[in-house]
Amino acid sequence: DTGVSQDPRHKITKRGQNVTFRCDPISEHNRLYWYRQTLGQGPEFLTYFQNEAQLEKSRLLSDRFSAERPKGSFSTLEIQRTEQGDSAMYLCASSLGAGETQYFGPGTRLLVL
Amino acid sequence: EDKVVQSPLSLVVHEGDTVTLNCSYEVTNFRSLLWYKQEKKAPTFLFMLTSSGIEKKSGRLSSILDKKELFSILNITATQTGDSAIYLCAGGRMKTSYDKVIFGPGTSLSVIP
Repeated sequence: DTGVSQDPRHKITKRGQNVTFRCDPISEHNRLYWYRQTLGQGPEFLTYFQNEAQLEKSRLLSDRFSAERPKGSFSTLEIQRTEQGDSAMYLCASSLGAGETQYFGPGTRLLVL
Repeated sequence: EDKVVQSPLSLVVHEGDTVTLNCSYEVTNFRSLLWYKQEKKAPTFLFMLTSSGIEKKSGRLSSILDKKELFSILNITATQTGDSAIYLCAGGRMKTSYDKVIFGPGTSLSVIP
């Protein structure tokens, strides 16, 4: 399968713990995006990368959130000191370049107890 | 502030019916209108529309964009139970370094036998 992959698919954690999610984009795609989706809402943009450079971060991304794409391939999204409000589906998408179609991974569903 | 509005938010139809889903947008430096289908997982790409008045078709699905009225519709003819999903509309910005996609809340379609 050469699509976008994410790991883990599900994560349950206790409030205050740190969690890290991984995204592997489609191999030739140099843009990678992170979104968050809650029930009944469309995906909300969090941040995106052009190769290894993080080009934009949403105001939704508090200082507890950090994302990296160290070698311009896979990316990680870390949430520190998780809160119950962080419970959501975290989606990763990739595209060939600016303005190109974004293709989504299966998502990581986070539940913070 | 950029926004994408979809209507209706939910819809229940019988197999064989034709449905029309609506999407209006206000997106700075608008470039493209995208439609995605989301079942119990990540969104899957349906259409990207960049020009007004040109219908895109894929099987029983079709979509058209009106850039003057800032509006798009997605039509599904002869609906099947497998069409049950959330249909997301999104506005994409101009092809610049700082592009992102603004999603609407989605229309939840249920097709009953």
